[in-house]
Amino acid sequence: DVVLTQSPATLSVTPGERISLSCRASESVDTYLHWYQQKPNESPRLLIKYASQSISGTPSRFSGSGSGTDFTLSINGVELEDLSNYHCQQGNSLPFTFGSGTKLEIK
Amino acid sequence: QVQLKETGPGLVQPTQTLSITCTVSGFSLTSYYMQWVRQTPGKGLEWMGFIRSGGSTEYNSEFKSRLSISRDTSKNQVFLKMKSLKIEDTGVYYCARGNSGNYFDYWGQGVMVTVSS
Repeated sequence: DVVLTQSPATLSVTPGERISLSCRASESVDTYLHWYQQKPNESPRLLIKYASQSISGTPSRFSGSGSGTDFTLSINGVELEDLSNYHCQQGNSLPFTFGSGTKLEIK
Repeated sequence: QVQLKETGPGLVQPTQTLSITCTVSGFSLTSYYMQWVRQTPGKGLEWMGFIRSGGSTEYNSEFKSRLSISRDTSKNQVFLKMKSLKIEDTGVYYCARGNSGNYFDYWGQGVMVTVSS
């Protein structure tokens, strides 16, 4: 199974900061790496697909990059509404797997 | 618009069988894969399995011996059945719509399942 390692586990941020979240795969997943945002007591919401493709409705401050085993989700100017958990997921091979998540909290 | 909604029991006894129904609207089950994902305190988000647009299934080997996914296209419903429940199966169970590239673009609100006697 592909193991996805997300870091950091928790990130304390100040509104307005530019931040980067990491997701590393134990083997290549090409660009079949997708990002989700999950707010407390809500379902995950697709944010970025295929490593870097934005989803309709995703604010432009969110961007994704990477391929193979190293991926990054960036937020250019964090806003209070971005305080959530972020999960990466690989769809390259079965079983599909998720990372353990990064929690964004206010500093 | 696309909507998914899970319904199921909130409480299940250990060793019993869990049954959850996902009712969808706004798209056809014969055009998309339907996925089941759960979120537990111990393991976070876990992909459980899917049913293809054609009706065949794939399961995570973690659950393979216990899990069954089926559907009724006439009712726009997908079903999850998992037997021999354990305490550690406690969590939120989601159905989600799958796309090529195997990302999940729409999710249900989830159903919280507690396994306890």
